[in-house]
Formats: sequence, C-alpha cells, structure tokens
Amino acid sequence: AQSVTQLDSHVSVSEGTPVLLRCNYSSSYSPSLFWYVQHPNKGLQLLLKYTSAATLVKGINGFEAEFKKSETSFHLTKPSAHMSDAAEYFCVVSLNNAGNMLTFGGGTRLMVKP
Amino acid sequence: DTGVSQDPRHKITKRGQNVTFRCDPISEHNRLYWYRQTLGQGPEFLTYFQNEAQLEKSRLLSDRFSAERPKGSFSTLEIQRTEQGDSAMYLCASRPWGTNTDTQYFGPGTRLTVL
Repeated sequence: AQSVTQLDSHVSVSEGTPVLLRCNYSSSYSPSLFWYVQHPNKGLQLLLKYTSAATLVKGINGFEAEFKKSETSFHLTKPSAHMSDAAEYFCVVSLNNAGNMLTFGGGTRLMVKP
Repeated sequence: DTGVSQDPRHKITKRGQNVTFRCDPISEHNRLYWYRQTLGQGPEFLTYFQNEAQLEKSRLLSDRFSAERPKGSFSTLEIQRTEQGDSAMYLCASRPWGTNTDTQYFGPGTRLTVL
C-alpha cells in the first residue's frame, strides 16, 4: 500500500520569500515521487519527479525537492516566491508494480502576498 | 496541440441521467488513466488501460461506472444513473509504456455537475 500526506493544506508567503511545502509518503517499495501543480481552471502540470537517481531534484520554475528516505519525506522548496506561483500543489507517489497508478496527497494551496 | 484532450469540458446533468466523457491521449501513448477529483481533494485513481486492455478496474467507484478503450486510442468513461455525489472533475492522463519514463500527462478535465 502507498499513501501521501501533505502536512499543510494552506501555506501563505510574501513575494520574494522562500517557499516550503511539506510531504511525507508511505510505500512498501521504492517509489517514484512527483510534485504536480494545478492553477485555477488549468490542468495538472508536472513540476518535478524523483526516480531513484539524485536525491535532490530540480524542476521547472525554480522549484526543487529533496528525497530523504530516512524521513520518508519529499518536501518542495523554492528560494523566492513569485505571484505566479499561487496555485494548488500535489505530492504524488507511484509504484512501478501497480501499473504506475498515481496516489495523490490532499494538496497544499500556496498563496503569495505582494 | 499534441496534449491530452477531454470532451466535454463541462457537463451539467440531472440526477438519474447517463453521461459519457471522452479522452484523447497523446499520440502513441499506450497507457491511459482515469482519475476523479472532488472539490478540495487530490485526484483519486479510477482505472487504467494498456492499449485496449483494461488492466485495473477495481477502483471504479461503483458498478455505475465503466470505461472503454476499444481501439487502443481514445477512451470513454460512462456513468449511469448519475447521483449528486458524482459531481466532480474527471481527469484523464496518458503515458508511454516500455520506456524509462513514468510521467503521466494530464488533460484539462471534464467538470460534471449533477443537479
């Protein structure tokens, strides 16, 4: 079985300050981990993914995430928030032996204040 | 545009009616997935196909839900005798199989409202 917990349902930051969105996962096997972003009225877009290569993963728009197996965490960070980063973010786990079906966390809504 | 497309984008129906949604995956993506996203929640997996074979359907929410992919290209998701609890966004995703990428590419979704 696999599950994902996003520790914050809402995060509010000021423009230009760092962003931290927290994610913990549970998986019986070595998972693939993803972060997707969903802007209002738009489809899910892949930000980045971890697939057992480097533990620090760089994605689009300046986002990155670090896989920590000992902590079963995959937190998403960005050094400096932009107004355009305001969106819903989903941490996602996938198992190769389960058809690669994706299990999503509950989402974190990121708000960016001017 | 070569992305995943879904039709219709919005559907309003009355309780008890049947609805059908269509998904056109990215060309040559042989895996196709359906998810449902209710308000304020993350998407939940429903079913998936490899070519025309439906390899997992135990997660379909009830026997009122069915999906097909008859020629291994586009897919349809049907909900019979709709209920108000079926109101949600229905998402389709596709990916190539047999490569070293497991990224799924999502369509814009079909938003269903059951009155």
